[in-house]
Amino acid sequence: QKEVEQDPGPLSVPEGAIVSLNCTYSNSAFQYFMWYRQYSRKGPELLMYTYSSGNKEDGRFTAQVDKSSKYISLFIRDSQPSDSATYLCAMSAGNQFYFGTGTSLTVIP
Amino acid sequence: DGGITQSPKYLFRKEGQNVTLSCEQNLNHDAMYWYRQDPGQGLRLIYYSQIVNDFQKGDIAEGYSVSREKKESFPLTVTSAQKNPTAFYLCATRGRATYTQYFGPGTRLTVL
Repeated sequence: QKEVEQDPGPLSVPEGAIVSLNCTYSNSAFQYFMWYRQYSRKGPELLMYTYSSGNKEDGRFTAQVDKSSKYISLFIRDSQPSDSATYLCAMSAGNQFYFGTGTSLTVIP
Repeated sequence: DGGITQSPKYLFRKEGQNVTLSCEQNLNHDAMYWYRQDPGQGLRLIYYSQIVNDFQKGDIAEGYSVSREKKESFPLTVTSAQKNPTAFYLCATRGRATYTQYFGPGTRLTVL
């Protein structure tokens, strides 16, 4: 079983839709949870990070962590064509980081 | 990418040749990492270094080597022993008081 599971998609939505991206994990020691956005042929860009369970909001983005279910989510409100990218979840319990395979998102104008 | 630079952006290598990928950072971060990214496989850890003159193997270290002589620099050498080196290589850093990684822009290596 992989440490982190993420549906690769692809996911296609119309502009203005609410997007939900999710990851599950198996290691209960994970304490830090991150979401990265990666455009084609570019390095991943840190979008949000949270510690332990709870919600965090930043503009149109909301990250949720449910440690009891070992499940994390990223919601994008009022999605824009510029949000079209691959979204990677990541988590850590110390010095090493574990990544999902990424979900490819396309927002159609 | 911010304060992390990787060079070159694209690199072509003939089979049997060693090649070195550069990673430099001005973030004053202690830890540096090298990942390999292949389609559908996510990021796989090659090597990481917590401090100068020390580094540890990751999940796929075979065929790669690194050095950490300066805090700012963590070059990766892809040797001829690496059987399938064509991939997108990413360097990342982590500060001592942070719990997230920051990535460079990546180097695309193609073996001809």
